Amino acid sequence: DVKVTQSSRYLVKRTGEKVFLECVQDMDHENMFWYRQDPGLGLRLIYFSYDVKMKEKGDIPEGYSVSREKKERFSLILESASTNQTSMYLCASSPDSPEYEQYFGPGTRLTVT
Amino acid sequence: GEDVEQSLFLSVREGDSSVINCTYTDSSSTYLYWYKQEPGAGLQLLTYIFSNMDMKQDQRLTVLLNKKDKHLSLRIADTQTGDSAIYFCAEEGGGGNKLTFGTGTQLKVEL
Repeated sequence: DVKVTQSSRYLVKRTGEKVFLECVQDMDHENMFWYRQDPGLGLRLIYFSYDVKMKEKGDIPEGYSVSREKKERFSLILESASTNQTSMYLCASSPDSPEYEQYFGPGTRLTVT
Repeated sequence: GEDVEQSLFLSVREGDSSVINCTYTDSSSTYLYWYKQEPGAGLQLLTYIFSNMDMKQDQRLTVLLNKKDKHLSLRIADTQTGDSAIYFCAEEGGGGNKLTFGTGTQLKVEL
């Protein structure tokens, strides 16, 4: 079974702190994604990566950066956390197959106070 | 741009059929998907349909696709309490490996 793990289920940080969210997949998938999920807004794509050291902006990249130094690991960085970044963060990975099925991690609920 | 819309809530009685609807805008999408999110969990793929099909059935699930109206629906037969979850439709497009998700429909199954 494909497994996507995220470093924390719950995280509480203060405004202005630098925050790292880690995601690891064990299926050698080429593509990895970071979303945030907010009630009534669904999932919004922050960044994605289709190869090591490659990254592409999604729909809402402002205030975030990413890093993909190894194929299995994709990190989301909040350079200076703000209260409007309080959200559920979901990581996903997918192979380069025609169906582009995405496999999701359990999510990290981040609260910025 | 791409936009995927769903109603936010649906309530059904146990044993009834549930129909969750979705409209999308990208007519070039090759695949359309239904994902399920149980409380406290990530999303799990339920089923997908290729754009040249108009129906796909998988046990209790039936997906209908109307390409002309850009309308996708998911029917769950004999809905059970374990089906209570948020259901997301998604379209593939805008670069192949990217998906655009809808807002999600919260399905509540009442006894």
